[in-house]
Amino acid sequence: QSVLTQPPSVSAAPGQKVTISCSGSTSNIGTYAVSWYQQLPGTAPKLLIYENNKRSSGIPDRFSGSKSGTSATLGITGLQTGDEADYYCGAWDTSLSAEVFGSGTKVTVL
Amino acid sequence: EMQLVESGGGLVQPGGSLQLSCAASGFIFSDSDIHWVRQASGKGLESIGRMTRKVHGYATTYVASVKGRFTLSRDDSQNTAYLQMTSLKTEDTAVYYCAFYRAGYGMDVWGQGTTVTVS
Repeated sequence: QSVLTQPPSVSAAPGQKVTISCSGSTSNIGTYAVSWYQQLPGTAPKLLIYENNKRSSGIPDRFSGSKSGTSATLGITGLQTGDEADYYCGAWDTSLSAEVFGSGTKVTVL
Repeated sequence: EMQLVESGGGLVQPGGSLQLSCAASGFIFSDSDIHWVRQASGKGLESIGRMTRKVHGYATTYVASVKGRFTLSRDDSQNTAYLQMTSLKTEDTAVYYCAFYRAGYGMDVWGQGTTVTVS
């Protein structure tokens, strides 16, 4: 059971937009910054967004992040087949004294 | 190029021990907090623990499921981090990743992962 809640899957056609939600609590998202990771099959996670809305080096501006209260959102515009992957949100949790992750969302490009 | 290379994974019997290594290059190792994250087959990411950088006292935290069994350490002079695992259980079977958090950049450097199988 993941501490942060994400939808299991989202999908859209090429060129369209998807959003992925991440819901937490005051002990994690409500207090600390959120990061987003992309994991392609068989590879290590890759940082997309850190500190809620900052893109990591080399990440195109098609990817965006936002946070409000105890929830965060990742947006992907201009969807491409190469964006098919699992996406995870993450944040520090003060109650657990650990980095916590969402359950992951699989993005499918139709 | 920033890089983390992990090693030490393998097959071990329940109750056994294993040490993973994570060797860094291309960035200032000593300025980073080290996280270890694991992923069971077909499952999501699970944090194991964190060791802070020297300025924050090399503090360590562990998740409940590994506390008392796993130990994080680092050798800044060798740019290497370690995860010592003892009393291994079948549920510890997973791909283990080291990941470095750099202030102002996030957790942007990840190892390739090393597989631990407890059986």
